[in-house]
Amino acid sequence: KAGVTQTPRYLIKTRGQQVTLSCSPISGHRSVSWYQQTPGQGLQFLFEYFSETQRNKGNFPGRFSGRQFSNSRSEMNVSTLELGDSALYLCASSLDGLRTGTKLYNEQFFGPGTRLTVL
Amino acid sequence: AQTVTQSQPEMSVQEAETVTLSCTYDTSESDYYLFWYKQPPSRQMILVIRQEAYKQQNATENRFSVNFQKAAKSFSLKISDSQLGDAAMYFCAYRSDGEGAQKLVFGQGTRLTINP
Repeated sequence: KAGVTQTPRYLIKTRGQQVTLSCSPISGHRSVSWYQQTPGQGLQFLFEYFSETQRNKGNFPGRFSGRQFSNSRSEMNVSTLELGDSALYLCASSLDGLRTGTKLYNEQFFGPGTRLTVL
Repeated sequence: AQTVTQSQPEMSVQEAETVTLSCTYDTSESDYYLFWYKQPPSRQMILVIRQEAYKQQNATENRFSVNFQKAAKSFSLKISDSQLGDAAMYFCAYRSDGEGAQKLVFGQGTRLTINP
């Protein structure tokens, strides 16, 4: 089974531009989460999508947005790029579904990341 | 809000020896999951081991084991018989146990070097 894929792997943009990153989850996975990794702030949760709906959101400005398609592929968009947006963006997918009260754990599998550099 | 703290930015160990990485966390929740992830230079985040808070028994995966102290909110990772391939950044992470809870809260990471 193919793992989580992210495209592109590397991206260079200039301040003020916008960028779209893509994440294809493992087949059958319906939850996709996005994380930003920087040397200063570490790994921070951006948002999570499940069945085309944003289910959780981290503390990032509105310039960061995302969406999920019916095939569970997800995109995240950053508008009006700033130098501080330079980071490794990771996505993770999971089987997670609706639970009925019993404990249910589904591992999150991470993609290789997209390295975004803002000049 | 939950927080995770890793107080050791860097650790090193001789090949074949044992090393312990520390992690503390803060939460008011009673049910949650704790994880150790490994991120080698290739950047692919890999799950090493997980611990369910409701389980008293410490998790073990081959050479990797944890010491989970719920009352002290401590979650350390022990790597036995260290191998060169264990060199990586190690992140401790917390996840709530709730409907649709997928958000991971990460510590700052510990860079582990294995000396041959």
